Amino acid sequence: AQSVSQHNHHVILSEAASLELGCNYSYGGTVNLFWYVQYPGQHLQLLLKYFSGDPLVKGIKGFEAEFIKSKFSFNLRKPSVQWSDTAEYFCAVKTSGGSYIPTFGRGTSLIVHP
Amino acid sequence: NAGVTQTPKFQVLKTGQSMTLQCAQDMNHEYMSWYRQDPGMGLRLIHYSVGAGITDQGEVPNGYNVSRSTTEDFPLRLLSAAPSQTSVYFCASSYGEDNEQFFGPGTRLTVL
Repeated sequence: AQSVSQHNHHVILSEAASLELGCNYSYGGTVNLFWYVQYPGQHLQLLLKYFSGDPLVKGIKGFEAEFIKSKFSFNLRKPSVQWSDTAEYFCAVKTSGGSYIPTFGRGTSLIVHP
Repeated sequence: NAGVTQTPKFQVLKTGQSMTLQCAQDMNHEYMSWYRQDPGMGLRLIHYSVGAGITDQGEVPNGYNVSRSTTEDFPLRLLSAAPSQTSVYFCASSYGEDNEQFFGPGTRLTVL
C-alpha cells in the first residue's frame, strides 16, 4: 500500500516569509496528487491538484506545488504567506488503477504570526 | 447545491451507546467515504463506497458499520461507542475515483 509522508508537522512563520511544505509518497506508478487546506474550525477544501502535464501546478490563494517524479515528491510553496494562511495542510495521493480513495498524509499545521 | 452535509455537528455519547452519523451529498457523486481526524494522525479512512450497494473497509474500520442504499446517503454507524472513538468525523464524496473529494463540515464526537 502506498504511504504519504509530510515531514513538517508544525511550521511557524512570520507574515511575508516564504513557505515550502514537503510531501513524499511511496508509490512508483502513475499518481494523482492533491493538497487540501483546513482553516480553523472548517472542513477540508482543495488547494490544488496534479493529474498530468506541467509538473508545476498553481492553485488558489497564490499557492503552487511542483511534482518531481524522480523524487516522489509534491511540495507545496508560497512566496509570501499571510496571517490568513494559518491552517492545517494535507497532502493526498491517489494511485491510478489502485485504491479508489486517496491516501492522506498526517498534515502540517502552519501558524503565521502577523 | 448544498454539497456534502453532515449531521449532527456535535455529539456526546456514553460508552456502549450506539448512534448513526448522517452524510448526504446532492452532487450525484459515485464515491463516498468516511474519515476520522485525530491530532497528529491526519485523516484515516474508515469505510468507503464506490456506488449504491457497494461498500468496503478502509484503514480503521473496526467498531463502525456503513451502508449505501442510495447514491445520496452514506450513514456511519457506531454499534457500541468506545472512548477511543472520540474524534472528528468527516464525510467526503467525489465524482470519479481520480477526481478531487468534497468534504462535509464534520461531526465532533466525544465518547465518555
